[in-house]
Amino acid sequence: SQQGEEDPQALSIQEGENATMNCSYKTSINNLQWYRQNSGRGLVHLILIRSNEREKHSGRLRVTLDTSKKSSSLLITASRAADTASYFCATELGYSTLTFGKGTMLLVSP
Amino acid sequence: ETGVTQSPTHLIKTRGQQVTLRCSSQSGHNTVSWYQQALGQGPQFIFQYYREEENGRGNFPPRFSGLQFPNYSSELNVNALELDDSALYLCASSSTRGGPENTDTQYFGPGTRLTVL
Repeated sequence: SQQGEEDPQALSIQEGENATMNCSYKTSINNLQWYRQNSGRGLVHLILIRSNEREKHSGRLRVTLDTSKKSSSLLITASRAADTASYFCATELGYSTLTFGKGTMLLVSP
Repeated sequence: ETGVTQSPTHLIKTRGQQVTLRCSSQSGHNTVSWYQQALGQGPQFIFQYYREEENGRGNFPPRFSGLQFPNYSSELNVNALELDDSALYLCASSSTRGGPENTDTQYFGPGTRLTVL
């Protein structure tokens, strides 16, 4: 079953624009992680935010977590064509078991 | 590059056959998790191994089994293959300290694409 659900399913923007993806989940979590996947290959870990954190930054990435609303957002600023990929949120309920959503497909056009 | 390797890259099998997929974890990692990703879906947790013991299992039938070796590498075995087993199989390694409930970020390998005809 899907714990996290990303929104939108697909997003198409121009280079230089910001991209925002949202994730909602159903149950209490230890942490929430965002991953990127290029062309159906391996997942690349982007950022981890723990349940007691509200915001985290890493380079052009900004992640927020609202545990009261059971939601998270990933903001990519000044997007590049190389950011084109699928983005997944994954919640960790315990014992490092990750539950993924279906992902957001991001297309960044030059 | 995460340091996690998987073999083979691609595999084609027929229904009813058995398959073994392999994963070498990143140096220093003692935990390996396996995920199945069907086309257009997010990865689904199959099971996890910590110190050679199964440490959690998702909603997959017993014909999905695994092993972890003393060097922390791992195998995923699938018996009696079905068409729906066609998917990308991902392994992820991580470091667990002080017990299976304390685990760091998981680092994924490139995956094995299994096609069942």
